[in-house]
Amino acid sequence: AQSVAQPEDQVNVAEGNPLTVKCTYSVSGNPYLFWYVQYPNRGLQFLLKYITGDNLVKGSYGFEAEFNKSQTSFHLKKPSALVSDSALYFCAVRDKVTGGGNKLTFGTGTQLKVEL
Amino acid sequence: GAVVSQHPSRVICKSGTSVKIECRSLDFQATTMFWYRQFPKQSLMLMATSNEGSKATYEQGVEKDKFLINHASLTLSTLTVTSAHPEDSSFYICSARRGSELMNTEAFFGQGTRLTVV
Repeated sequence: AQSVAQPEDQVNVAEGNPLTVKCTYSVSGNPYLFWYVQYPNRGLQFLLKYITGDNLVKGSYGFEAEFNKSQTSFHLKKPSALVSDSALYFCAVRDKVTGGGNKLTFGTGTQLKVEL
Repeated sequence: GAVVSQHPSRVICKSGTSVKIECRSLDFQATTMFWYRQFPKQSLMLMATSNEGSKATYEQGVEKDKFLINHASLTLSTLTVTSAHPEDSSFYICSARRGSELMNTEAFFGQGTRLTVV
């Protein structure tokens, strides 16, 4: 079975400061990892993904994430937060194993609040 | 980019009636679409996987006779909530992936549908 943990329900950061939203995962094989963002009463927007190759992945709106296999983590980061980044962020995993790998499993979400 | 359109965005219905939600992939063909349910301040719970031309695969605990899924074409999947009750009130989100299961493509999500049963 695959699972995702987002240990923080909420992260508060001042505008201009770096932000980190944590995510750890568990899969039986190798993972596909994703980050999505959700604004109120909207669907999810894709931010970035890790499939293979470089452990540091760059995505939309200046976000990046680092895949760490030994720590089974895929933390989302941004060097300088904006108030408009305030939203709900979901980490998701999909197992590469064929047949069981079509489903995305989501974490519980982390509410990011960026204040002036 | 890939666009998934979900309609309606918001619906209010009376208890006992049925509601149909549409999910369309506008600029790509989606052999597989997914239906999720999201409760307030909670994560997305996968309800079912919708496969074009075949029966949907439901997750454990999801009543297939209550949540009818039809994936009649490569660009359209529908979710019908039959005999809706207030406890069915929720935010329903669909997603679609381009390509086959073996491809490492991300899923694209619709805007979501807020269903309120009164």
